[in-house]
Amino acid sequence: DTGVSQDPRHKITKRGQNVTFRCDPISEHNRLYWYRQTLGQGPEFLTYFQNEAQLEKSRLLSDRFSAERPKGSFSTLEIQRTEQGDSAMYLCASVAGNTAGELFFGEGSRLTVL
Amino acid sequence: AQSVTQLDSQVPVFEEAPVELRCNYSSSVSVYLFWYVQYPNQGLQLLLKYLSGSTLVKGINGFEAEFNKSQTSFHLRKPSVHISDTAEYFCAVPPPNTGTASKLTFGTGTRLQVTL
Repeated sequence: DTGVSQDPRHKITKRGQNVTFRCDPISEHNRLYWYRQTLGQGPEFLTYFQNEAQLEKSRLLSDRFSAERPKGSFSTLEIQRTEQGDSAMYLCASVAGNTAGELFFGEGSRLTVL
Repeated sequence: AQSVTQLDSQVPVFEEAPVELRCNYSSSVSVYLFWYVQYPNQGLQLLLKYLSGSTLVKGINGFEAEFNKSQTSFHLRKPSVHISDTAEYFCAVPPPNTGTASKLTFGTGTRLQVTL
């Protein structure tokens, strides 16, 4: 499968624990995006990378959130000291160059914080 | 900032009936507009996009959308739906003039429920 893959698909954790999600984009795509989607809402932009550089972060991304893309390939999104409000689907998407809007999404990582 | 409004959160429709999913955008400048579809337990995928040129855009699975500048709308239509079209549909727009044409702002979504 040459699409965007995310791992794990589901994560249940207790409040206060740290969690990390991984995204493997399509190999030739240099831009990688993280979005968050809650029930009944559309995806909300969190952050994006061009190669290994993190170019923009949303105000939604509190200091408990950190994202990396160390070699310009896969990316990780870590949430420290999780809160119940962090429960959501975390979506990763990638795109080649500056192709307008043709984001290729993974199936998402669903986080449930108890 | 650019935004889109999807007026209908749910649209129930019978199989083989036509459907229109509404999307209005806010902008006074040229826009790009997109429709994405999310099937149950799957990631979002691009249905169609408007960048420039013809205002009638055709997408996958028989869907089309019409860009209407005077009404600031980009409604999605299909003349005859199938059960397999049951999904969540999102309208989206990127920020203007920032060079990040893929950083999209999504609407709240419209759930299309097709029944027999």
